[in-house]
Amino acid sequence: DTGVSQNPRHKITKRGQNVTFRCDPISEHNRLYWYRQTLGQGPEFLTYFQNEAQLEKSRLLSDRFSAERPKGSFSTLEIQRTEQGDSAMYLCASSLLLTGRNTEAFFGQGTRLTVV
Amino acid sequence: AQSVTQLDSHVSVSEGTPVLLRCNYSSSYSPSLFWYVQHPNKGLQLLLKYTSAATLVKGINGFEAEFKKSETSFHLTKPSAHMSDAAEYFCVVLSGGYNKLIFGAGTRLAVHP
Repeated sequence: DTGVSQNPRHKITKRGQNVTFRCDPISEHNRLYWYRQTLGQGPEFLTYFQNEAQLEKSRLLSDRFSAERPKGSFSTLEIQRTEQGDSAMYLCASSLLLTGRNTEAFFGQGTRLTVV
Repeated sequence: AQSVTQLDSHVSVSEGTPVLLRCNYSSSYSPSLFWYVQHPNKGLQLLLKYTSAATLVKGINGFEAEFKKSETSFHLTKPSAHMSDAAEYFCVVLSGGYNKLIFGAGTRLAVHP
């Protein structure tokens, strides 16, 4: 399978615990995005990387959230001291930025986080 | 700043009848626009995209969308709905600098026999 892969697919955690999600993008894609989607809403942008550089972070990304893409390949999203409001679907997408244009983004199936 | 507004949160049609999902956009320059579909427990899938070429864009599964600059609209249509079209549909605009996709709130399409 050469699509975007996210792990785990589901995560249930107790409030206050830390969680980490992983995203493996399409191999040649240099752009990687994280989005959050809550029930009945469209995905909201969290952050994106170009290669290993994190170029933009949304105001939604509080200091409890951190994302990395250490070698410009896979990425991790960590949430520290989880709160019930963090319960959502976390989506990863990747695309290829060429000179002057960005190809369409391909999305993974997401990681559903439930904080109890 | 770029944004999209999906005018209907729910649309219900009968199988075999036309589908119209409405989207208006706001952009200070010529935008790149997309429609994505999300079936339950599945990832977002690109239906079609507009990137300043032909204003009528054909996508997968018989869907089309027409870019109308004068109306700042990018409505999604399909001549004949199928039961398998029942899903959530998102209108999306690409932000300036090609940096990120900005999603609308979504339209849930229900198809009845």
